[in-house]
Amino acid sequence: AQSVTQPDIHITVSEGASLELRCNYSYGATPYLFWYVQSPGQGLQLLLKYFSGDTLVQGIKGFEAEFKRSQSSFNLRKPSVHWSDAAEYFCAVSNFGNEKLTFGTGTRLTIIP
Amino acid sequence: DVKVTQSSRYLVKRTGEKVFLECVQDMDHENMFWYRQDPGLGLRLIYFSYDVKMKEKGDIPEGYSVSREKKERFSLILESASTNQTSMYLCASQSGYEQYFGPGTRLTVT
Repeated sequence: AQSVTQPDIHITVSEGASLELRCNYSYGATPYLFWYVQSPGQGLQLLLKYFSGDTLVQGIKGFEAEFKRSQSSFNLRKPSVHWSDAAEYFCAVSNFGNEKLTFGTGTRLTIIP
Repeated sequence: DVKVTQSSRYLVKRTGEKVFLECVQDMDHENMFWYRQDPGLGLRLIYFSYDVKMKEKGDIPEGYSVSREKKERFSLILESASTNQTSMYLCASQSGYEQYFGPGTRLTVT
């Protein structure tokens, strides 16, 4: 069965600093990978996705993620965070022929001035 | 833009009540999903539907049922609400492998 691990429950970052959120997956076949963001009291919004091709993918709000097959990772990065980036971030995995997503437990991001 | 709406943002029900959570999408998507979200557990799939009147159990279907009579509407039913069903419930519809989420319903069962 596929699984997703987000090892950091909570991360605090200063505004303007860089950010990296970790995501590791376990799946035998080529994964489809996603990052979603959930602002307080809201549903989830897709930040970016990877299906194939270039392993560095760009998303909305200035986020990017890199797929590293050798490390089974899909880490999310942003060079300079803004106070509005404070939210919870979820990594998710699926694969060809499987419409269901498996979500990680999420990482809560706090931004300090 | 895809729009997924849920009937209530906040709901308070008593133990033993029958509860209906409604979800409507406006993009003619075939696949729709119900999740519950709890702190430290992420999103867990309750049920999903891949067509009208078609449904499949997710990871935690116990205590829940669903109904999909029309393509745009997917309902989650708690037959007899219990306090351990207090949670945030999220509905999603899907195009390709991308899921679009509603704002969620925070259900409290007292």
